[in-house]
Amino acid sequence: GENVGLHLPTLSVQEGDNSIINCAYSNSASDYFIWYKQESGKGPQFIIDIRSNMDKRQGQRVTVLLNKTVKHLSLQIAATQPGDSAVYFCAEIGGATNKLIFGTGTLLAVQP
Amino acid sequence: DTGVSQNPRHKITKRGQNVTFRCDPISEHNRLYWYRQTLGQGPEFLTYFQNEAQLEKSRLLSDRFSAERPKGSFSTLEIQRTEQGDSAMYLCASSLEEGGYTFGSGTRLTVV
Repeated sequence: GENVGLHLPTLSVQEGDNSIINCAYSNSASDYFIWYKQESGKGPQFIIDIRSNMDKRQGQRVTVLLNKTVKHLSLQIAATQPGDSAVYFCAEIGGATNKLIFGTGTLLAVQP
Repeated sequence: DTGVSQNPRHKITKRGQNVTFRCDPISEHNRLYWYRQTLGQGPEFLTYFQNEAQLEKSRLLSDRFSAERPKGSFSTLEIQRTEQGDSAMYLCASSLEEGGYTFGSGTRLTVV
């Protein structure tokens, strides 16, 4: 079946460094992707989204890149802060009901 | 109405008991989704409502699971004859249109 997966399950960075979290997807027909941040004991929180007619989108300190040729997404976080420590998921929208299909997540650990 | 509300936040139950969770979506959102999340994994889709109609159910939703959204507002998820394998975080999300998903904080179920 279709799936969304992550290359790195754990990423450890120093405070102030830039972080890059990667994600591969398998459904070439997917046209909408979302990155979520999930802190312990909380539900996923929207970070940024991108549609397939774009290859880059920027938010506040975050950038999402989409490479449709190799079916790859990345989330870049600039000047990573301790508050960025969380699990990050990419998700694609799938099916007629627009449900979210999540990958397994990457744990980002920010070292002070 | 500041977000999606889920109750209870935590539930511990004995194997074989029935449990019911409630989700109050953002009031103007007509789409409501239930997901299940186990430790270290991404949320998995369970079921989808558009207004009061249940339009999609995952094969993960065994016959012990039932969900309702009787008036197109709040939703309930019931698990009958709970098993230890049902232990997970149950997440609810609502949206008005594609992409505008908001998650609740979830109900953590522990079956002992």
